[in-house]
Amino acid sequence: KAGVTQTPRYLIKTRGQQVTLSCSPISGHRSVSWYQQTPGQGLQFLFEYFSETQRNKGNFPGRFSGRQFSNSRSEMNVSTLELGDSALYLCASSGGQGWGTEAFFGQGTRLTVV
Amino acid sequence: GESVGLHLPTLSVQEGDNSIINCAYSNSASDYFIWYKQESGKGPQFIIDIRSNMDKRQGQRVTVLLNKTVKHLSLQIAATQPGDSAVYFCAEIFGNEKLTFGTGTRLTIIP
Repeated sequence: KAGVTQTPRYLIKTRGQQVTLSCSPISGHRSVSWYQQTPGQGLQFLFEYFSETQRNKGNFPGRFSGRQFSNSRSEMNVSTLELGDSALYLCASSGGQGWGTEAFFGQGTRLTVV
Repeated sequence: GESVGLHLPTLSVQEGDNSIINCAYSNSASDYFIWYKQESGKGPQFIIDIRSNMDKRQGQRVTVLLNKTVKHLSLQIAATQPGDSAVYFCAEIFGNEKLTFGTGTRLTIIP
């Protein structure tokens, strides 16, 4: 069974640009959550999608958005990039019944904004 | 706002010894807690979880203890091995499947 796949692994963007990150969950998983990881703030919850609907949202500005497709794959978009957006963006998939053994993280996308 | 924090940012333990990683949480309404392990270049990996109606849960070489009176969570790793070197995060859940992570503790196993 393939794990959670995030693409790309590394990305360098310029301030003001926008970026789209992709996450393919484990087959059969319907919930996809996104997290931002930085040395200073740790792991912070961005949002969660379940069956193409945003079910939970963290405290991030509207520049951060996401969506989920019918095959459960999810994309995260960040517009008007700022230097502070440099981080490791992690995606986790689960069956949607709750966190715990069902939740698996991808290896992340390392975004650097210059 | 609510927060989950860790007492120590770094911990060094001799190989073969037991290690204890601590975590304090502030939301007494949290009903589910998870410990994750993150190795360099990888995403967090589930280790063990515990619900608020329990005070102890054991896994393979790991034990999680929950003290709701003082809102404290700990992860005990028995007979540590070099592969245990990683950053360990505690996380709490309240509401609908929203995880709040602590800042993490870096565990280093000394050979």
